[in-house]
Amino acid sequence: DGGITQSPKYLFRKEGQNVTLSCEQNLNHDAMYWYRQDPGQGLRLIYYSQIVNDFQKGDIAEGYSVSREKKESFPLTVTSAQKNPTAFYLCASSIEDSQFVYTQHFGDGTRLSIL
Amino acid sequence: AQSVTQLGSHVSVSEGALVLLRCNYSSSVPPYLFWYVQYPNQGLQLLLKYTTGATLVKGINGFEAEFKKSETSFHLTKPSAHMSDAAEYFCAVSGTNYGQNFVFGPGTRLSVLP
Repeated sequence: DGGITQSPKYLFRKEGQNVTLSCEQNLNHDAMYWYRQDPGQGLRLIYYSQIVNDFQKGDIAEGYSVSREKKESFPLTVTSAQKNPTAFYLCASSIEDSQFVYTQHFGDGTRLSIL
Repeated sequence: AQSVTQLGSHVSVSEGALVLLRCNYSSSVPPYLFWYVQYPNQGLQLLLKYTTGATLVKGINGFEAEFKKSETSFHLTKPSAHMSDAAEYFCAVSGTNYGQNFVFGPGTRLSVLP
């Protein structure tokens, strides 16, 4: 079945450590996204990528980095510069449909906590 | 700029009662509108979407929503709540350019009481 796979489901980070969250999709979607979810704040866009080797900052990119070397993969690195990384991270992807709409489809998320 | 407001961060209904979750949006262009559902520790699942055409949109699990341009609203309803409907619901608005301006509302947590 086609879908978006995020791993790991739970991740723990020590102070000063970088961690990388994985996102893989087999939907053949062009665009991919990373969101951060905090209680009561909805989803906030971190980074997005429209095509391979290209990505743009979202609303809260500071302390995060991404790469898009393959169409299927869009890993997110949470760097030590991100002072409050504890959150639920969601990866999404989209492709233009027959109605010219980019509906976003989501993975099951990674919960990151600080030790 | 686009924005979404959802009235009520928490809504409680009795099992079998009507579910009404409110969503209002602002957009400078004709919007595409979406409702997603999220169960605990899971990702978001698309319930329904409005693009063009018929303003009453039917989705999965018996939910439907009506686009009212004059009221800039896209409220989500279900005639009879089921215990399995308890979840967080997000309204979102999008333009037409790769979805990078996909804006989510803050969410409404629905509780269903026996």
